[in-house]
Amino acid sequence: NAGVTQTPKFQVLKTGQSMTLQCAQDMNHEYMSWYRQDPGMGLRLIHYSVGAGITDQGEVPNGYNVSRSTTEDFPLRLLSAAPSQTSVYFCASRSLASRVSQETQYFGPGTRLLVL
Amino acid sequence: DQQVKQNSPSLSVQEGRISILNCDYTNSMFDYFLWYKKYPAEGPTFLISISSIKDKNEDGRFTVFLNKSAKHLSLHIVPSQPGDSAVYFCAASTTDSWGKLQFGAGTQVVVTP
Repeated sequence: NAGVTQTPKFQVLKTGQSMTLQCAQDMNHEYMSWYRQDPGMGLRLIHYSVGAGITDQGEVPNGYNVSRSTTEDFPLRLLSAAPSQTSVYFCASRSLASRVSQETQYFGPGTRLLVL
Repeated sequence: DQQVKQNSPSLSVQEGRISILNCDYTNSMFDYFLWYKKYPAEGPTFLISISSIKDKNEDGRFTVFLNKSAKHLSLHIVPSQPGDSAVYFCAASTTDSWGKLQFGAGTQVVVTP
């Protein structure tokens, strides 16, 4: 049981390049989400999904795309990277079985992205 | 516009003493509050939570207090230990939000010997 895994751990991009941040979970969780963490801002929700084929926008979705073709995977795509997207990205998952399951929202170790 | 605010970016406390972390919120619809702990190069991990129907929840050395009228919650750690040195995030959600969390900016706690 690996929990939530994220790849890569660190990435440097040039402005305008595209890339995909990978996220996978092996807990059969319906809910998956992406956050970015910036100094002085806490974690902000980018996109989330409540099941395969269902995604929705969070607080800061611009510049990012997501898809959910399987329960396990929830990749985050940067279409044309900008310096403002330099951040640490966290993927999280949890069961939707009950409200209390918010306690068991598991976060991945993060991907540190630098856009030059 | 941040709806969850942690106004103290850092806190230094001696080992064995009490750590008190504060969090304020502006959205009166929030009905579930959580504290997460984060070590460097790791993802946040759940610490303790409280529902808006309660004003206190305790789990070992950790106690969370909720004052709904003041839209304020606090986390008490007693006694503080060196392993408690981490960033602590306050988070909140509403019933109809699929549990989407609004996070505060975090408070860096340093426990000194």
